[in-house]
Amino acid sequence: EAQVTQNPRYLITVTGKKLTVTCSQNMNHEYMSWYRQDPGLGLRQIYYSMNVEVTDKGDVPEGYKVSRKEKRNFPLILESPSPNQTSLYFCASSLRGGAGQPQHFGDGTRLSIL
Amino acid sequence: DAKTTQPNSMESNEEEPVHLPCNHSTISGTDYIHWYRQLPSQGPEYVIHGLTSNVNNRMASLAIAEDRKSSTLILHRATLRDAAVYYCILRDDYEHGDDKIIFGKGTRLHILP
Repeated sequence: EAQVTQNPRYLITVTGKKLTVTCSQNMNHEYMSWYRQDPGLGLRQIYYSMNVEVTDKGDVPEGYKVSRKEKRNFPLILESPSPNQTSLYFCASSLRGGAGQPQHFGDGTRLSIL
Repeated sequence: DAKTTQPNSMESNEEEPVHLPCNHSTISGTDYIHWYRQLPSQGPEYVIHGLTSNVNNRMASLAIAEDRKSSTLILHRATLRDAAVYYCILRDDYEHGDDKIIFGKGTRLHILP
């Protein structure tokens, strides 16, 4: 089954403790992206990747890192998490970047930073 | 800032058509119009997209104004399962610049039984 898989689905952690949220897709998609969703603010893009070893900042990249060493994986790294990064995170992928490409989303990761 | 404007919420009766509007007055010639929806406790789900012509698929229809400054997502016969937040976004061809995607806050659609 074609899907985008995020892990973990839920995480409660403390300020400053490095964490990684993994994202994997099995559709051989070139484009992958991370979003955060907060009440009243909608979905905001954090980082995106057009292909392996190619990443770029979205609207809200501060405090996050990403890497794209393999086509299928696009982990989101919080080196020193802070409470304002408590949010619902979504990973998405599409066949390619560009205007006509629909995105497939994962089920989300709910992070709570205490 | 979001490049599209949608009403915060709308209501419709079950089994009736629903027209969800979206304004995008600053749309460029290479922007595609995409619609996604997010059901409660789920990730967003692709609905439909188009460039200039009206588009139909099994989920919905997309009507695009002649000047492309607005569009309407049409659900032909709403069911309770269509209650969701609907997002209208613009996506440009990355060959003309970056490929950032701006979602905005969407329209929360309530379906009345």
